[in-house]
Amino acid sequence: DVKVTQSSRYLVKRTGEKVFLECVQDMDHENMFWYRQDPGLGLRLIYFSYDVKMKEKGDIPEGYSVSREKKERFSLILESASTNQTSMYLCASSPPGGLYNSPLHFGNGTRLTVT
Amino acid sequence: AQTVTQSQPEMSVQEAETVTLSCTYDTSESDYYLFWYKQPPSRQMILVIRQEAYKQQNATENRFSVNFQKAAKSFSLKISDSQLGDAAMYFCAYRRYGGSQGNLIFGKGTKLSVKP
Repeated sequence: DVKVTQSSRYLVKRTGEKVFLECVQDMDHENMFWYRQDPGLGLRLIYFSYDVKMKEKGDIPEGYSVSREKKERFSLILESASTNQTSMYLCASSPPGGLYNSPLHFGNGTRLTVT
Repeated sequence: AQTVTQSQPEMSVQEAETVTLSCTYDTSESDYYLFWYKQPPSRQMILVIRQEAYKQQNATENRFSVNFQKAAKSFSLKISDSQLGDAAMYFCAYRRYGGSQGNLIFGKGTKLSVKP
């Protein structure tokens, strides 16, 4: 079974702090994704990566950056956390683009609160 | 740009009954993939069922089946013999064909309650 592990289940940070959300997958997947989930808004894509050191902006990249130095790890960075970034963050991975009907495999999510 | 719409924010079903969750999408493409995901209170997103747009036959997975109407751009999920464990948020998702990234576009979700 594919395992996607997010390092923190709950996180509380202060406004202005630099925040790192870590995600690791164990299936050698090329693609990794960061989504943000808010009530009534569904899941919105922040960033994704299709290879090491490669990244693409999703629908809501403002205020976020990412890092993918190793294939198995994809980090989401909040350079200066703000209260409007309080949310649930979901990491996912998938096989390469040729397997389009392959589902995304999700982690358990990190609920981030910025005070 | 593609969009996915789930018009029912909340639904309720009696245990052992059948319920249908609605999903419509907007795309100009002819080839694509559609998915239903379930998110229980544990927060783990779980794939329920998938459908390739080029297949006319509706996908089925045990008690879960879809009604895929390509011309109407509709992709509803039917849950038969509902169980308490089916209570969750359900998300409909679209993936375009082609490209290397394979990200999904999600609807806003439907919260399903199952009454004993």
